[in-house]
Amino acid sequence: QSALTQPPSASGSPGQSVTISCTGTSSDVGGFDSVSWYQQHPGKAPQLMIYEVNKRPSGVPDRFSGSRSGNTASLTVSGLQAEDEADYYCSSYASSSNFEVFGGGTKLTVL
Amino acid sequence: QLQLQESGPGLVKPSETLSLSCTVSGGSIRSSGYYWAWIRQPPGKGLESIGSIHYTGRTHYNPSLKGRVTISVDTSKNQFSLKLSSVTAADTAVYYCAKRGGGWSPIDYWGQGTLVTVSS
Repeated sequence: QSALTQPPSASGSPGQSVTISCTGTSSDVGGFDSVSWYQQHPGKAPQLMIYEVNKRPSGVPDRFSGSRSGNTASLTVSGLQAEDEADYYCSSYASSSNFEVFGGGTKLTVL
Repeated sequence: QLQLQESGPGLVKPSETLSLSCTVSGGSIRSSGYYWAWIRQPPGKGLESIGSIHYTGRTHYNPSLKGRVTISVDTSKNQFSLKLSSVTAADTAVYYCAKRGGGWSPIDYWGQGTLVTVSS
């Protein structure tokens, strides 16, 4: 059982927007700005898409955005494209374990 | 461009110790502030952070694995290593080495990953 809760799947048609949630507690997602999102295509290493809740590394399209409300962080992908189909993982520092925790991952399907 | 490459046995027997190394190229493992990390992913499952190390030797370990994990650094070889003792089938996973900008900073560089299977 993962420390952070993500929906197992999400989907959308090309051009649409999709939001993936990541729910934790005030001891992790809600209490620290160390929330990150990673994209992972099959057979590949993960890639950082969002860090510190809502910041994008250089090279990541601005179609990807992050936000947080209370103990839930969200990743929104706007203008869905076929190459966005992948698994997405959130992570956060957790004071309860003084360590990093990941969500269970969400498989995003572009219909 | 920073590159990380894992190396080590792909098959380990139950109860033995899993040992992997990660060679860093395109940059120095002594770069100030960076932490060098190990993350694993069982087949078909999610990511799990194992631990990380600063070149000075400061470490952070996953409490769920503590007691079985040792991460070390060899600055002369620009390498860091993972040892996981008393392995079971549950330790079968793709193991990634990675770099983060600081203690709990996001992981911005990943190795390609190496599959380690625990089986007799």
